[in-house]
Amino acid sequence: DVKVTQSSRYLVKRTGEKVFLECVQDMDHENMFWYRQDPGLGLRLIYFSYDVKMKEKGDIPEGYSVSREKKERFSLILESASTNQTSMYLCASRLAGPYEQYFGPGTRLTVT
Amino acid sequence: GESVGLHLPTLSVQEGDNSIINCAYSNSASDYFIWYKQESGKGPQFIIDIRSNMDKRQGQRVTVLLNKTVKHLSLQIAATQPGDSAVYFCAENHNDYKLSFGAGTTVTVRA
Repeated sequence: DVKVTQSSRYLVKRTGEKVFLECVQDMDHENMFWYRQDPGLGLRLIYFSYDVKMKEKGDIPEGYSVSREKKERFSLILESASTNQTSMYLCASRLAGPYEQYFGPGTRLTVT
Repeated sequence: GESVGLHLPTLSVQEGDNSIINCAYSNSASDYFIWYKQESGKGPQFIIDIRSNMDKRQGQRVTVLLNKTVKHLSLQIAATQPGDSAVYFCAENHNDYKLSFGAGTTVTVRA
């Protein structure tokens, strides 16, 4: 089975802190994605990576950056956390092309 | 902009009945569609997918129907069970990298 893991299930950070969210997949997938999920807004794409060291902005990249140094790992970085970044963050991976995305369990981030 | 939306935010269904969850999409170039199920506290889980060259696909207790003429997608769940209670999302793919998701329908199964 495909497994996508995220470093934390729950995280509480203070405004202005630098936050790292880590995602690891074990199926040698080329593509990886970071989403945030908010009530009534569904899943919104923050960034995606179609291969190692490649990254593309999604629909809401402001305030975020990403890193993909190894194929299995995709990191989401909040350079200076703000309260409006309080959300559920979901990582996903898939094979290159129009195939299903496999999701991790999510990280619920609270910024106070 | 282009978006994927669901007709109803909530659906209540009697255990044992069939459920139908609807989704409208706006991008006629979309070529691949997925239904996901998300239980409380978990990430979305793949249920079934369909490509634009098909109009129906069946899985175990689930059927997805695609009507490209009216840009409509539906998920049918047969003999709904308590474990089917969850939020259901449709998603469309209109380029190789990105999926667009609807806001979700919360399905509640009544005993």
